Amino acid sequence: EAQVTQNPRYLITVTGKKLTVTCSQNMNHEYMSWYRQDPGLGLRQIYYSMNVEVTDKGDVPEGYKVSRKEKRNFPLILESPSPNQTSLYFCASSWDRGMNTEAFFGQGTRLTVV
Amino acid sequence: GESVGLHLPTLSVQEGDNSIINCAYSNSASDYFIWYKQESGKGPQFIIDIRSNMDKRQGQRVTVLLNKTVKHLSLQIAATQPGDSAVYFCAENGSGNTGKLIFGQGTTLQVKP
Repeated sequence: EAQVTQNPRYLITVTGKKLTVTCSQNMNHEYMSWYRQDPGLGLRQIYYSMNVEVTDKGDVPEGYKVSRKEKRNFPLILESPSPNQTSLYFCASSWDRGMNTEAFFGQGTRLTVV
Repeated sequence: GESVGLHLPTLSVQEGDNSIINCAYSNSASDYFIWYKQESGKGPQFIIDIRSNMDKRQGQRVTVLLNKTVKHLSLQIAATQPGDSAVYFCAENGSGNTGKLIFGQGTTLQVKP
């Protein structure tokens, strides 16, 4: 089954404790991205990757890092989480960044930073 | 019932009626548009897409209309069912060819039995 898998689904952590949210897709997609979803602000892109070893900032990259060492995986790293990073996070993938940019989304990771 | 006009955060319809969800997009350079459905506790799910060289596209029970003149997008759902209850987002690809999708605020569709 074609899917984007995120882990964990739920996470509560303390301020400053490094964490990683994993994302994996099995569709051989080149393009992957991370979004955060907040009430009243909708979905906003954090980082994206056009292919292996190619990553770039989205609209709200501050406080986040990503890596793309393999095509299928695109982890989101919070080196020193803060309460304002409490949010619902989605990983997405698509074939490429061109016209056909239908994105497939993971189930989401609800992060709470206390 | 149907609702036309400006974007509404919540739309309530009777089961079996048709629904129309509206979206005003922001970037005149956008040439690709998608409607997503998000059910509670799940990620956005693709419903239908349309390119800027079209003004209408139909799927199963859904139709998307694009009016580039006024930068307006709508999603029509025929014979709305309880399973259609969700938040619906429109998304555009914007300019810059980065692959980023720009999402609207979303409309919550409530289907009354």
